[in-house]
Amino acid sequence: DQQVKQNSPSLSVQEGRISILNCDYTNSMFDYFLWYKKYPAEGPTFLISISSIKDKNEDGRFTVFLNKSAKHLSLHIVPSQPGDSAVYFCAASAGTYKYIFGTGTRLKVLA
Amino acid sequence: DTEVTQTPKHLVMGMTNKKSLKCEQHMGHRAMYWYKQKAKKPPELMFVYSYEKLSINESVPSRFSPECPNSSLLNLHLHALQPEDSALYLCASSHPGQGANTEAFFGQGTRLTVV
Repeated sequence: DQQVKQNSPSLSVQEGRISILNCDYTNSMFDYFLWYKKYPAEGPTFLISISSIKDKNEDGRFTVFLNKSAKHLSLHIVPSQPGDSAVYFCAASAGTYKYIFGTGTRLKVLA
Repeated sequence: DTEVTQTPKHLVMGMTNKKSLKCEQHMGHRAMYWYKQKAKKPPELMFVYSYEKLSINESVPSRFSPECPNSSLLNLHLHALQPEDSALYLCASSHPGQGANTEAFFGQGTRLTVV
C-alpha cells in the first residue's frame, strides 16, 4: 500500500522554464511534508519542507504548495536549470520519526 | 556542518561473512535512521534510534542488527545476508523537534553487494 505516490515517473523541461513535480498521499494523519533531490549513487539531499498548517513555502527557486483537502502537494522550480536534473522524492511524516517516501520523479532539464 | 558520513562507500560480502556499516554525524542530532534503497525504488525505513534507544524497527530480519554506541554514531551489523539484500544503505539523522517534524539529513550511502 503506497501511501505517498508520485504518478509521473519522469518529466522533461526546457532550461529557464518552470518545473512542476506532483505528489499525492492517502494518509490524512500526515502533517509534515518534504522534498528531496537525489543523484545516482548518492544520498537524498533535503530541498524544502512544509507543515500541514501552511499551504505554501518558498525557498529561493523552490516553492512547495500543499492542498490538504485534495491530499496533494507540488514542488515548483523556477527557473529550471540543467543542474536540477535529478530524481525528486516527496516524503511525508505523521509526527513521528517515520518518513514515508514517494516513488520518485526523474526530472531532466534540457539546455 | 550538515554532514552525515557513511563508511564504507562500497562493500562486497559473501553470504557467510560478517560486516558492519558505519554512520557518523556531528550536528547534535538525537534521531538517527537506517534506510534501504533498491534500484528505481524509494528509500524504505529500516530502523530509527531516538536518544540512543531503538524506537522503530520496521520488521527487519535479524540478519540486520543496528547499534547506536553514542549520540554521534550508528552502526548496522550484517550477518548471513542474502543476494536480495544487495542495495544502497542510507543513514540519516534529524533533530527531534516539535512532534519530530523536522528534516532528515542523509549520508552518501553504502552500496552493498552480497555474492
